[in-house]
Amino acid sequence: EIVMTQSPATLSVSPGERATLSCRASQSVSSNLAWYQHKPGQAPRLLVHGASTRATGIPARFSGSGSGTEFTLSISDLQSEDFAVYYCQQYNNWPPITFGQGTRLEIK
Amino acid sequence: EAQLLESGGDLVQPGGSLRLSCAASGFTFSNYAMSWVRQAPGKGLEWVSGIYWNGGSVWYADSVKGRFTISRDNIKNTLYLQMNNLGAEDTAVYYCASWTGRNYFDYWGQGTLAIVSS
Repeated sequence: EIVMTQSPATLSVSPGERATLSCRASQSVSSNLAWYQHKPGQAPRLLVHGASTRATGIPARFSGSGSGTEFTLSISDLQSEDFAVYYCQQYNNWPPITFGQGTRLEIK
Repeated sequence: EAQLLESGGDLVQPGGSLRLSCAASGFTFSNYAMSWVRQAPGKGLEWVSGIYWNGGSVWYADSVKGRFTISRDNIKNTLYLQMNNLGAEDTAVYYCASWTGRNYFDYWGQGTLAIVSS
């Protein structure tokens, strides 16, 4: 099973600033990685797939990068609606599909 | 617009059973593999099970293998999860999601809560 590790667990950033979230895989997942945003009581929302391809309707301030074992999700010009929990997910080697434990992005 | 609506979550005693349903609309359900993903209280997302577009192949997490059964009805545009021999560790919000190319999950439902407690 591929273990996905996200850091930090919690990130405090001011609105208008940039947030950088990290995700590390226990072995290479090539570019087979997705990022999701999840708010309490809502459905998770796909942000990025293929490590760097934004999903339909996702603003350009969301940017994914990386390959192999190290990945980053950057969110520039943070808006109030961006504060949520973010998960990475690998789909290179399954079953099982595996998610990271999440990074909580909170308002500073 | 794609919509997924889960139902069937309930309070059930340990050892009991539940059947979850997920009604799909707004997209061609029969073209998509589908999955169930759950979130236990205070925890992250955990993939539970997946099924090929025609039901011909199914996959399970080790934590539910032998207890849960995934199925689908492409006429009714509905995904199911039969959960047997439930334990406290199965308490979670269960989401259904479309599984594009058996890779990432692009459409998600709002989830249904299953609580296993005596």
